Amino acid sequence: GAVVSQHPSWVICKSGTSVKIECRSLDFQATTMFWYRQFPKQSLMLMATSNEGSKATYEQGVEKDKFLINHASLTLSTLTVTSAHPEDSSFYICSARDRGVETQYFGPGTRLLVL
Amino acid sequence: AQSVTQPDIHITVSEGASLELRCNYSYGATPYLFWYVQSPGQGLQLLLKYFSGDTLVQGIKGFEAEFKRSQSSFNLRKPSVHWSDAAEYFCAVGGFQKLVFGTGTRLLVSP
Repeated sequence: GAVVSQHPSWVICKSGTSVKIECRSLDFQATTMFWYRQFPKQSLMLMATSNEGSKATYEQGVEKDKFLINHASLTLSTLTVTSAHPEDSSFYICSARDRGVETQYFGPGTRLLVL
Repeated sequence: AQSVTQPDIHITVSEGASLELRCNYSYGATPYLFWYVQSPGQGLQLLLKYFSGDTLVQGIKGFEAEFKRSQSSFNLRKPSVHWSDAAEYFCAVGGFQKLVFGTGTRLLVSP
């Protein structure tokens, strides 16, 4: 149980284009989903928290207009990196948590390379 | 402010030897504590968690961790390491909404 998937696992795009990453909870309802960013050999940095049906809460320093998060259903959240630039290249990981549960379950991550 | 310190960036252990990974935290209330493991290029897998009760918690893959409030520590242990345990290990602390992660400890297992 508690499986979270991400799609795609790898994406390469040109600078200036937008990229959408999907995060799905496969066997539970994720009332809250989290988006993290991880640079090589570093820890995870929380970017934003999204609750189903409401606007995402972004961490300080994260541009909400650049990283658009939508959590339209209890099993799906999307992160769209708009007008991507090479500095946006990173490993993006989502996690999901069910209502009343303290544990976050993580997806396998999406590696983004912006050329 | 919440914070997690993993003082060891990397540790090398011989296969079959015991392992202890250190984690110290700073948190204003009773913390929820977690250990996650990450294989290269993968997401995070939950090893174990502590919310309350018995301070020695058992996890998957033979791991255990002990919560010591007086030392603000939550060290991860395994009595006998296998080569497949080589990975990055993250300690995390949080309440109901957010997790704060440590910088991770990379475990190398030598034959």
